[in-house]
Amino acid sequence: GAVVSQHPSWVICKSGTSVKIECRSLDFQATTMFWYRQFPKQSLMLMATSNEGSKATYEQGVEKDKFLINHASLTLSTLTVTSAHPEDSSFYICSADNRRPFQYFGPGTRLLVL
Amino acid sequence: SQQGEEDPQALSIQEGENATMNCSYKTSINNLQWYRQNSGRGLVHLILIRSNEREKHSGRLRVTLDTSKKSSSLLITASRAADTASYFCATVISILTGGGNKLTFGTGTQLKVEL
Repeated sequence: GAVVSQHPSWVICKSGTSVKIECRSLDFQATTMFWYRQFPKQSLMLMATSNEGSKATYEQGVEKDKFLINHASLTLSTLTVTSAHPEDSSFYICSADNRRPFQYFGPGTRLLVL
Repeated sequence: SQQGEEDPQALSIQEGENATMNCSYKTSINNLQWYRQNSGRGLVHLILIRSNEREKHSGRLRVTLDTSKKSSSLLITASRAADTASYFCATVISILTGGGNKLTFGTGTQLKVEL
């Protein structure tokens, strides 16, 4: 089956720094990737839809200058949390759909901002 | 919002018993999907049921869909300790050619299967 990886799996950073999270489709080309955020014991909230070669589409309430998304190739999308603060601490998950009606998810990245 | 509500929020059963989780949503959909999430991990797609289908089976999983009530249920039969995880329903309102279909997730059910 299709495999999606994320790197890093966890990161701890100081407040004010920027953090980049990579999402890769390992054995297929992903025209579209998705970025989600999940708080403990809660559901996944879609942050943005990332299309290769074009600007990401952000969901209402998500700051695009805060969460920079780049989908430079058909196998890589990156999420950069700029000037991270403690309230940005969360579990970030990416996914891709490989042209199917369901999505393949990465293992997630846990971000802790001190 | 379209986000679905899942019921129960948490479910604890003994190994061998059946587990039933319910999902309700608000607007018309193209399909409804169920995903599983092990603690601290990504999600795994379990099963998809289209709006013109009423029931679907996959191994020990049985999914039903009632579009008139805007609800779905996931039944796991003969549960095992390894089934312990969170289960989420997700809806797709419309299918886009070429992919990029947005999923709207429900609130999730935390299932614990005890030995």
